[in-house]
Amino acid sequence: DTEVTQTPKHLVMGMTNKKSLKCEQHMGHRAMYWYKQKAKKPPELMFVYSYEKLSINESVPSRFSPECPNSSLLNLHLHALQPEDSALYLCASSPSDRGENTEAFFGQGTRLTVV
Amino acid sequence: SQKIEQNSEALNIQEGKTATLTCNYTNYSPAYLQWYRQDPGRGPVFLLLIRENEKEKRKERLKVTFDTTLKQSLFHITASQPADSATYLCALRRSGATNKLIFGTGTLLAVQP
Repeated sequence: DTEVTQTPKHLVMGMTNKKSLKCEQHMGHRAMYWYKQKAKKPPELMFVYSYEKLSINESVPSRFSPECPNSSLLNLHLHALQPEDSALYLCASSPSDRGENTEAFFGQGTRLTVV
Repeated sequence: SQKIEQNSEALNIQEGKTATLTCNYTNYSPAYLQWYRQDPGRGPVFLLLIRENEKEKRKERLKVTFDTTLKQSLFHITASQPADSATYLCALRRSGATNKLIFGTGTLLAVQP
């Protein structure tokens, strides 16, 4: 299994809602990532988890809250988002967080629309 | 500030020709440089990784070069096909403890039949 699975594929939420994005991989990868991608822009790193611990937070607003319940799962909890947070949210994993085994495997993304 | 720039937003070439995409970076000392392909509405797919001490890496019709003096990588697709049409992203990972993978601005390649 070489897939990173993200759910849901599409999400529409109001600014007062609370929702969660989910990501799962069964490749035994020890690093997992959240990226945000706006139209015609490259993916922008948000968070990195290494061995289930948060290792990098790229100064992301607190309305985005990541969680790594175990080595296969990564969640992104959303609360009180703004319309400008609408984007494609991508989850990725890599075998290691450093060295050569760092190519990233991406999920298909969740297309989030905040209304 | 750190920048990773790729040549022109879009590149149009004729089928069968070689596509050459450029990735230039400033204020980085990357240990590795990677190239990804991204199709519309999908996540990026890893293509190739090249280390800082390697000059060139090949995989089938793909070739990547890495010049740390020029701070530049070139990505070539030979005998291009319409199916190669996609956005191509370079990404840098620095050496040391950090495990950030930072993407360049991307180049949209369109191969005309």
